[in-house]
Amino acid sequence: EADIYQTPRYLVIGTGKKITLECSQTMGHDKMYWYQQDPGMELHLIHYSYGVNSTEKGDLSSESTVSRIRTEHFPLTLESARPSHTSQYLCASSEGAGETQYFGPGTRLLVL
Amino acid sequence: QKEVEQDPGPLSVPEGAIVSLNCTYSNSAFQYFMWYRQYSRKGPELLMYTYSSGNKEDGRFTAQVDKSSKYISLFIRDSQPSDSATYLCAMNSGGSYIPTFGRGTSLIVHP
Repeated sequence: EADIYQTPRYLVIGTGKKITLECSQTMGHDKMYWYQQDPGMELHLIHYSYGVNSTEKGDLSSESTVSRIRTEHFPLTLESARPSHTSQYLCASSEGAGETQYFGPGTRLLVL
Repeated sequence: QKEVEQDPGPLSVPEGAIVSLNCTYSNSAFQYFMWYRQYSRKGPELLMYTYSSGNKEDGRFTAQVDKSSKYISLFIRDSQPSDSATYLCAMNSGGSYIPTFGRGTSLIVHP
């Protein structure tokens, strides 16, 4: 079983607030990813990292930022939350060539 | 046209049925093929992983890849209500660390 953790699991917050979604993995994987997924919809890649101090933007235009200071930790920050950010955020990690990804349980965000 | 096409369903079957889930793709460079299962409000979990063409079996699950037709399938034998979930296919060329996902097929197995 994959050891990848996300906190908080659920978050309700007001518009304009700054929030950080946490993601940690204990498998030593070098690659980590953030996806956004609306209910019943497909996954959208918003950020990824190939290793420490490496971050890239994904396909989905996002107002979020990420950092990768430690291998095991890949937090996602929204500087100013908006109702359009309401969604589920999934963190994943992979090793090697990255064919298979291991996902965390997700954070469900509601911005009022 | 998307690189990976997957019918969103829902697909509703009686318990015990054989289920066939499918994806088509357009990128002939894809070599790695995965199936993920996602329960409601959870993260996806890896079910099956196949490299190149052929079949792979794991218990009640069989993954099949036909690269000549650019078509992959997941078969579930003796389906159970606990199999009710969304099944996502994913594939990768090996030259990229970013897999391409299908949008998922919702499966409902009713008792």
